[in-house]
Amino acid sequence: GDSVTQMEGPVTLSEEAFLTINCTYTATGYPSLFWYVQYPGEGLQLLLKATKADDKGSNKGFEATYRKETTSFHLEKGSVQVSDSAVYFCALTRNSGNTPLVFGKGTRLSVIA
Amino acid sequence: DAGVIQSPRHEVTEMGQEVTLRCKPISGHNSLFWYRQTMMRGLELLIYFNNNVPIDDSGMPEDRFSAKMPNASFSTLKIQPSEPRDSAVYFCASSNRSNQPQHFGDGTRLSIL
Repeated sequence: GDSVTQMEGPVTLSEEAFLTINCTYTATGYPSLFWYVQYPGEGLQLLLKATKADDKGSNKGFEATYRKETTSFHLEKGSVQVSDSAVYFCALTRNSGNTPLVFGKGTRLSVIA
Repeated sequence: DAGVIQSPRHEVTEMGQEVTLRCKPISGHNSLFWYRQTMMRGLELLIYFNNNVPIDDSGMPEDRFSAKMPNASFSTLKIQPSEPRDSAVYFCASSNRSNQPQHFGDGTRLSIL
């Protein structure tokens, strides 16, 4: 079945460091890909998405590029801030059919000043 | 726009008691999802509905758990009788269709003593 694999955390970075959180997927067909963020005490929020190969999703300084050849959707940010401390989830969905999103296990990011 | 609304935000009760969690999805959304999140098991999909009809409840852990969606604007998740291992954060989410990005509520933090 479809699945998403994320790098295990926690990830701890200093403020202004470069961030990469790896995400790879297994799916039939051509899924859409998403990154969600969960801040402490809150629900998951959609951060960015990409619906086809080579698309780049971006939001709040975060970027991820849909790489079909490597089945990857790695999340990057050039300069993290303390306020980026959260749990990040990679997810996919098939563009056909009516099945829910498949989430990765999440990666906790802590940014220290 | 009002997002997904969950109540209560926090619930503390003794084991053996009945617990009812409530969710109001975003107006116009046709799919509704219940998740459970724990440190040990991460984010788990319990059940989801399309057009008020339960589609997949394979994630419901035991017969003690039940969910209903009597109309398009309301759903409940009930645990009877509750046990300490049910302690978790329970999220409700909704989307236009089950394969579209989901909007999450802020969750109910449930503690069973």
